[in-house]
Amino acid sequence: DTGVSQDPRHKITKRGQNVTFRCDPISEHNRLYWYRQTLGQGPEFLTYFQNEAQLEKSRLLSDRFSAERPKGSFSTLEIQRTEQGDSAMYLCASSGAGLGRGLNEQFFGPGTRLTVL
Amino acid sequence: AQKITQTQPGMFVQEKEAVTLDCTYDTSDPSYGLFWYKQPSSGEMIFLIYQGSYDQQNATEGRYSLNFQKARKSANLVISASQLGDSAMYFCAFSIYNQGGKLIFGQGTELSVKP
Repeated sequence: DTGVSQDPRHKITKRGQNVTFRCDPISEHNRLYWYRQTLGQGPEFLTYFQNEAQLEKSRLLSDRFSAERPKGSFSTLEIQRTEQGDSAMYLCASSGAGLGRGLNEQFFGPGTRLTVL
Repeated sequence: AQKITQTQPGMFVQEKEAVTLDCTYDTSDPSYGLFWYKQPSSGEMIFLIYQGSYDQQNATEGRYSLNFQKARKSANLVISASQLGDSAMYFCAFSIYNQGGKLIFGQGTELSVKP
């Protein structure tokens, strides 16, 4: 297993365009998380899935954002009508079942850096 | 409200010396986990160490140890024998066990190791 992967690594788009990011978690992990990190800040939670069910969405996730995890495997995060304020690093993480560290330790992907011009 | 605070925006340490990065948190939930992550300039988040709220002993992982003071709600990271490759951003985070495991991160501390 090669860990969590994200695609693309970088995305430059014009304001108003739609973008979609993909995350492939570690295969046996049933939880998948999306975070957003702006320059100089810590990551902020956006949403998470347990298997295919989206269980929580942050208030940061406006109506322009949608996330899916069909069949409980990979996940996509789509941003519609992008704005300059959406420019950030979008991080995906996954974690497995179990107690304590096993449940809560999250493994992060390399991130997708979005620039909205 | 749940909150985590890192009060040191930047720290300098001489190579081979030890350094402590501060982290305090605020939650009323008794069941939680504390984490430290390292983020080099390349951007990936690298897990360093974990401490569960019910763990009696401080966690250690190689050169990293977590100084857990539950009553004071602090979870400081100690890096012993600093190396040049330790220069990076360091984030403290915690998650409440019954809230899906989402991580709440601090603002980060930028550590610079001097030769």
